[in-house]
Amino acid sequence: NAGVTQTPKFRILKIGQSMTLQCTQDMNHNYMYWYRQDPGMGLKLIYYSVGAGITDKGEVPNGYNVSRSTTEDFPLRLELAAPSQTSVYFCASSLLVNQPQHFGDGTRLSIL
Amino acid sequence: KNQVEQSPQSLIILEGKNCTLQCNYTVSPFSNLRWYKQDTGRGPVSLTIMTFSENTKSNGRYTATLDADTKQSSLHITASQLSDSASYICVAHGYGNKLVFGAGTILRVKS
Repeated sequence: NAGVTQTPKFRILKIGQSMTLQCTQDMNHNYMYWYRQDPGMGLKLIYYSVGAGITDKGEVPNGYNVSRSTTEDFPLRLELAAPSQTSVYFCASSLLVNQPQHFGDGTRLSIL
Repeated sequence: KNQVEQSPQSLIILEGKNCTLQCNYTVSPFSNLRWYKQDTGRGPVSLTIMTFSENTKSNGRYTATLDADTKQSSLHITASQLSDSASYICVAHGYGNKLVFGAGTILRVKS
């Protein structure tokens, strides 16, 4: 069972570079989410999607963009990477909003 | 302000012992309370989810309780195993897509 798959697992970026974090799920879930996890802090919601073609901002969307062209894929784009975006990024999905979320294993991103 | 506070921040117990982790939340309106287990280097995995009308829910050796009146929840782990070493995250679900995550309790089980 693949579940939620995130790539890459690790990445180092230079300030000002851009990159896309990939997320795909094979459970036919409607809802997908992007979170960031900083040391000693709870996960913060960056963006979420309730279905293909529909996305919305979460708590900390600045500096990020998303798209949802298919049910399976929900990529997260970083433009003009900044040191403050050094974090661990988790993608998650759920069938319905009030059901448990299934998480990928994260992308560890360092911006130097 | 919507918040989730967990205690203790970290805990070390001997294998075979029981432990209880605490969670206080101030999320309103409130829909459900979730507990996740996060192993080092992995994503969180759901343990339990309870609506405001549920008082307790079990998942194997894990038992979660909820008091919606006092806005408190606990996660009790029975007969701990080395594989229970992880971070345990409490999450309060408010309205729509608003989930508030606690910072987690780091549990270490030693032999």
